Amino acid sequence: DADVTQTPRNRITKTGKRIMLECSQTKGHDRMYWYRQDPGLGLRLIYYSFDVKDINKGEISDGYSVSRQAQAKFSLSLESAIPNQTALYFCATSDPRTSGNTIYFGEGSWLTVV
Amino acid sequence: GQQLNQSPQSMFIQEGEDVSMNCTSSSIFNTWLWYKQDPGEGPVLLIALYKAGELTSNGRLTAQFGITRKDSFLNISASIPSDVGIYFCAGQLAGANSKLTFGKGITLSVRP
Repeated sequence: DADVTQTPRNRITKTGKRIMLECSQTKGHDRMYWYRQDPGLGLRLIYYSFDVKDINKGEISDGYSVSRQAQAKFSLSLESAIPNQTALYFCATSDPRTSGNTIYFGEGSWLTVV
Repeated sequence: GQQLNQSPQSMFIQEGEDVSMNCTSSSIFNTWLWYKQDPGEGPVLLIALYKAGELTSNGRLTAQFGITRKDSFLNISASIPSDVGIYFCAGQLAGANSKLTFGKGITLSVRP
């Protein structure tokens, strides 16, 4: 089983709909992240959280919100999806105390907004 | 914010060839990481570098932390078809709460 699990793995949604991507981890890491991947643009940070009470905006947070429900769970929401949010989304974790600066990624969630 | 430059966007090589990729920045980084993303998967760490001048190998892969701390190199020797994928460099500034900055990635294709 994957240490960082994302659901759903694939989703097609309509413009204006609310969509939530969920992430859970069994690594026991405090830090969690949401990234977006677009062809030619690499990985861009949307939001990150260093612990349950901590939420921080990344490079491209507009149009997104997050919730850190527990140490192991970090969800990403698109309140009103738009087509340019079509992308591959990755959840990731890290813990400087145990694994230095290494970030561990989930398997990704493909989101298509039509 | 900080930017990492990886180019070209795509590379095409013949099986058995060696290939070298580099990553440059205008900022000084304390840590350099190299990740590989297989098709349909999330990126996976290949090599982590923590000291200027450090040279580290992982099988056929070798990476170096540049002396200036503004660049890093990844070499793949004797390429095989499963080397296909996207290779990302990532750098981190000093500070426990500093986040990783990723390059845009290089897509490697290996012709049999």
